[in-house]
Amino acid sequence: SQTIHQWPATLVQPVGSPLSLECTVEGTSNPNLYWYRQAAGRGLQLLFYSVGIGQISSEVPQNLSASRPQDRQFILSSKKLLLSDSGFYLCAWSNVESGGNYGYTFGSGTRLTVV
Amino acid sequence: SQQGEEDPQALSIQEGENATMNCSYKTSINNLQWYRQNSGRGLVHLILIRSNEREKHSGRLRVTLDTSKKSSSLLITASRAADTASYFCATGYSSASKIIFGSGTRLSIRP
Repeated sequence: SQTIHQWPATLVQPVGSPLSLECTVEGTSNPNLYWYRQAAGRGLQLLFYSVGIGQISSEVPQNLSASRPQDRQFILSSKKLLLSDSGFYLCAWSNVESGGNYGYTFGSGTRLTVV
Repeated sequence: SQQGEEDPQALSIQEGENATMNCSYKTSINNLQWYRQNSGRGLVHLILIRSNEREKHSGRLRVTLDTSKKSSSLLITASRAADTASYFCATGYSSASKIIFGSGTRLSIRP
C-alpha cells in the first residue's frame, strides 16, 4: 500500500535561519507531488507541485523553494526564514493523470513557527 | 486565488442531525473533491465527483454537483461527535495537474 511520510512534525526556527522539510512517498512510482501551506483557521495555499524528477512548478513568488531529487522525494527549503513563513505545511501526492481524477493523499503536516 | 468557496464558514449541530455544507466555484471543472481535516492533522480524502456526475454516495456521505450553478453540496447524515472537523472542497481541471482548495467549513457536533 502507498504511504507518505513527512517530517518533522513540529519545528521552531529563528528568523534568518535555513529550512528543509522532507516528504517521501512509498508504494507508488512517478507520483505527482505537492507542497501546501495552511495559515491558522484557513484554507490550503498551493506552493509547489512536481510531475517528475527535477520538474518544479511554483504557484506563488516567495521566500521558499522546492526540489525533487528522487522520484518519491520532495523537499521544501528556504535559505533565510521570515516571520511570515510560519504555518502548517502539508505534503501530498496523487496518481499521474490529467485532470486530477484521483484524490490526494496528504502527509501529517509540519507545524513551523518562526521566532 | 481560491476557486472553491465553502458555505457556511462554521456550522454547529446536535449529534444525530444532518449536516449540509456547500461549495461554489467560478470556472469549469473536471471534478470536485471533498476532504476532512481534524484539528492539527493532514487532510483525508472523502469523495470525488466528476463533472458528468450529479450525485454520489459513500456511507453517510452524499455529494451533489450542479455544474449549471457551479456548486456542490456535502451532506453528512446522522452526525456523530467524531464528525467534528473542518471540511474542504477542492476543484480539479483537465488541463492542470493540481487541485485548488476552498477555505473550508468548520463543523462542530454537540453531544
